[in-house]
Amino acid sequence: GAGVSQSPSNKVTEKGKDVELRCDPISGHTALYWYRQRLGQGLEFLIYFQGNSAPDKSGLPSDRFSAERTGESVSTLTIQRTQQEDSAVYLCASSEGAIQETQYFGPGTRLLVL
Amino acid sequence: KQEVTQIPAALSVPEGENLVLNCSFTDSAIYNLQWFRQDPGKGLTSLLLIQSSQREQTSGRLNASLDKSSGRSTLYIAASQPGDSATYLCAVSGANNLFFGTGTRLTVIP
Repeated sequence: GAGVSQSPSNKVTEKGKDVELRCDPISGHTALYWYRQRLGQGLEFLIYFQGNSAPDKSGLPSDRFSAERTGESVSTLTIQRTQQEDSAVYLCASSEGAIQETQYFGPGTRLLVL
Repeated sequence: KQEVTQIPAALSVPEGENLVLNCSFTDSAIYNLQWFRQDPGKGLTSLLLIQSSQREQTSGRLNASLDKSSGRSTLYIAASQPGDSATYLCAVSGANNLFFGTGTRLTVIP
């Protein structure tokens, strides 16, 4: 079956603009995660959706970041008023159940804020 | 807050050598530990997952060990091949979070 897909694969935007990143998880996976990876740094957890429960937003770096998920399918990560420090690869992953299960990652969206 | 450290940051070995990658974490209250592989321009691929009650997992030429009490894990790669060249990441799972190390960049020289 298809893996996790993300779009766009690359995004260049100007400082101050809003961007939306999309993630399509593996069908049937109830859990979905967003991570950020800045150049030369480790992955940084952003947000975690589990089924219909309220998402764990503890990792979002500021109120400019928000994410939504429609049921147990597509998720969008929105960054408002982008800053240069938002430049990173944004990775999405999904798993069958809880966060303790194997996560399957998408190829990421490379965001560059000029 | 959980902190995950990987040593070394980079490693080059000739083809055929056995090698060990190290991962340490500060909080032993984990659910599991995962090792991932990241290839340039691609996402992460899960290699091995060790539950907190387990001490090791094996898959092909890969063997991962976990010593939860000391906050350490190792990934052993036997008979390395050029195709093993990638960045290897370890991650520990808490109740609602996954903490990643910064990775070890492995180069296997033909």
